[in-house]
Amino acid sequence: GQNIDQPTEMTATEGAIVQINCTYQTSGFNGLFWYQQHAGEAPTFLSYNVLDGLEEKGRFSSFLSRSKGYSYLLLKELQMKDSASYLCASMDSNYQLIWGAGTKLIIKP
Amino acid sequence: IAGITQAPTSQILAAGRRMTLRCTQDMRHNAMYWYRQDLGLGLRLIHYSNTAGTTGKGEVPDGYSVSRANTDDFPLTLASAVPSQTSVYFCASRVSGGGNQPQHFGDGTRLSIL
Repeated sequence: GQNIDQPTEMTATEGAIVQINCTYQTSGFNGLFWYQQHAGEAPTFLSYNVLDGLEEKGRFSSFLSRSKGYSYLLLKELQMKDSASYLCASMDSNYQLIWGAGTKLIIKP
Repeated sequence: IAGITQAPTSQILAAGRRMTLRCTQDMRHNAMYWYRQDLGLGLRLIHYSNTAGTTGKGEVPDGYSVSRANTDDFPLTLASAVPSQTSVYFCASRVSGGGNQPQHFGDGTRLSIL
């Protein structure tokens, strides 16, 4: 079957670093996406990985291990505006996205 | 501004009524999608269209229908609404071809069925 697992909720402190993990199992694999979703808003694209390794984009980085079916999103220098849900999604062989339930990240001052 | 427009923004509907959620994009994306998002669950695909004139069923298609008469529009219809269809509905679009193209989302329609 197809399955995406990520923690339901995480809490971190402003200025700190947080890592949000995601494990996936899909029929075929065409890449792993991370999206950010603020409460009451639409998801917005953050990152895409298809090869093993780390992709860095400013304060955000995303890592992929295809052999382990594992990805993480790393957020550095946390700001209050980073409080949001972070959605992990795996693209299957039909180029459809299979979504995790999302990780709600709470940032405390 | 290029993007995806969904209408209405929110709606309260009596059970048994018919309702069409509208979705229009001006990015000339071939692929379009309808999702529902419920608390504690991931986005679940209702229907999709890889190109104008074609549609396909997603994970939760029952009670919903779609059409894709042209590239820009992808309406979602609830033929006879039931309370379990209370949800937030998102329309998304994507450039076809290659895995690295992300889906872009509209602002959503918040639908309550009473």
